[in-house]
Amino acid sequence: AQKVTQAQTEISVVEKEDVTLDCVYETRDTTYYLFWYKQPPSGELVFLIRRNSFDEQNEISGRYSWNFQKSTSSFNFTITASQVVDSAVYFCALNDYKLSFGAGTTVTVRA
Amino acid sequence: SAVISQKPSRDICQRGTSLTIQCQVDSQVTMMFWYRQQPGQSLTLIATANQGSEATYESGFVIDKFPISRPNLTFSTLTVSNMSPEDSSIYLCSVEKRAGGILSPLHFGNGTRLTVT
Repeated sequence: AQKVTQAQTEISVVEKEDVTLDCVYETRDTTYYLFWYKQPPSGELVFLIRRNSFDEQNEISGRYSWNFQKSTSSFNFTITASQVVDSAVYFCALNDYKLSFGAGTTVTVRA
Repeated sequence: SAVISQKPSRDICQRGTSLTIQCQVDSQVTMMFWYRQQPGQSLTLIATANQGSEATYESGFVIDKFPISRPNLTFSTLTVSNMSPEDSSIYLCSVEKRAGGILSPLHFGNGTRLTVT
């Protein structure tokens, strides 16, 4: 069974639009970590944000923000005022006893 | 954070041959992992590289095909054996650190792009 579900396969926006990426996870553990990673066309995997299961406080970091809702097992990620350099594949990941990745969402930001 | 050096960065190999990928970390880490990313796909965990003992493989991956070594806390190798075109993927090394019970984000090497012809 899929542990991490990213329902959106592709998102295309015009520069300066906001982009919200959905992520729903499944785990029986009470202690776990959630992550968002970015993979630009160059291929490297870049860590963006981390949240542990005991901290539901939602934060903003620059143009990135996230919405962690344990009640709905969701960990959504928003890029505000998108830029062309944000074009990449974004992966949501869950670490309960090992790291499991979602299928990824390809974000294309057009100038 | 950890600096991870992975090599080779890319290679083109003939079917039936083997390739060994190296992963060097700039500091001692608790856990090291190997992932595969097939073209256009997400990342799939191959195995956990255990220091001083045999690697722990995920379902669908076997030691004969993907032998792994981890002689110390900063280094690991993954061998892709008897390659076929289906093995063409990006292979990534990643490491995990825990400090005071807090899990660090998994850091990844830049990956090895393998093409099997």
